Parts: sequence; C-alpha cells; structure tokens
Amino acid sequence: DVKVTQSSRYLVKRTGEKVFLECVQDMDHENMFWYRQDPGLGLRLIYFSYDVKMKEKGDIPEGYSVSREKKERFSLILESASTNQTSMYLCATTLSNQPQHFGDGTRLSIL
Amino acid sequence: EDKVVQSPLSLVVHEGDTVTLNCSYEVTNFRSLLWYKQEKKAPTFLFMLTSSGIEKKSGRLSSILDKKELFSILNITATQTGDSAIYLCASLRGAGSYQLTFGKGTKLSVIP
Repeated sequence: DVKVTQSSRYLVKRTGEKVFLECVQDMDHENMFWYRQDPGLGLRLIYFSYDVKMKEKGDIPEGYSVSREKKERFSLILESASTNQTSMYLCATTLSNQPQHFGDGTRLSIL
Repeated sequence: EDKVVQSPLSLVVHEGDTVTLNCSYEVTNFRSLLWYKQEKKAPTFLFMLTSSGIEKKSGRLSSILDKKELFSILNITATQTGDSAIYLCASLRGAGSYQLTFGKGTKLSVIP
C-alpha cells in the first residue's frame, strides 16, 4: 500500500512567518502534488513535481514555493504566511496514469 | 479551462436509501474520471473510469461514465451511516499530464 506522510496534522503559525509543510512517500513515485482544500472551493492545485529538482506551477501558486531535493520528499513553503492561507493542505503522489494517493492533510491556521 | 461540476453539493438521506451523485465535466483531451471518498482525513480512491458505458462496482457502490454526454454518476445502494463523507469527482487533465481537476464535492450525510 502507498504511504504518504505529512509531517503535521495541525499547525498554527503567525502572519509573516516562513512555513514549511513536508510530505514524504514510500513508493518511489515520480509525481507529487500539493493542494489546498477550502469549504465551497474544493481541492485546488498549488504546485506539482514530476521529478527531483523539477517543479511546475498549478492553478494557485501565488504566495507559495516548493522544493524537491529527493524523490521521496516534496516540501511546500509559505514564504510569508498570511491569514488567507489558512486552509487544509493535502499532498498526493502518483505513478504514471494511476490514481493519486493522498496524505492525511495538514490543517494550517495563520493568526 | 477544464471544469468539473458536481451535484448536489450536499445531501441528507436515511439509512437504507439509494443515492445518486452526479459529476459533469468539460475537459480538453479527456482521459479519465476518478471518484474519491473523503471522511475526516485523506481522500481515498474509489473508481477510475476511462471507457463509456462500463459500470464499475465495489460492494454497494457503483459508477459509470458517459463520454458522449460528458458526465458520470456514483450510486450507493442501501446506504449506511459509514457512507457519510464528502465524495469528490476529478478529471485527469490532457495528454502527458497527471494533474487532476476536482469538482467541489458532494457532502453526503446518512442519518439512522
């Protein structure tokens, strides 16, 4: 079974802080994704990566960046956190045309 | 721009009822449509549909795709309280991409 682990289930940070969300997968998948999920808006793609050191912008990349130094780890970075980035963040991985597998999510609150 | 629309957005039924959840899509270079169930944590995969008219089944859940009318349905028969969840529909984007475009989800509540 694919295991996708997100480093924190709940996180509280202050406005202006630099925030790191970590995602680790154990299945050697090339493709990794970061989404945010908000009530009434569904899941929206922030960034994705098809390989180590490679990244592509998704639909809502503003205010975020990512890092993929190793195949199994994909980090989402909030450069200067703002209150409108309070959300549920979900990481997912996939191999080729297979369904994406999701982590349990990080509920991030920015005060 | 790809679009996936789910209806209804929320639904309350009694245990034992049968429900049908709808998903329509407008997607360039359509490849597949996926259904996920999300309870309190990670969305879990239910079905992946690529061909029209072929029903996929898993226990009390089934799903079918109509590529001519650009929609899919998810049926749940003899609903149980454990079926309460958000059901997400997503379309796999165009050629060479592994990105998904999600609908807003249908929140299903099953009451005893």
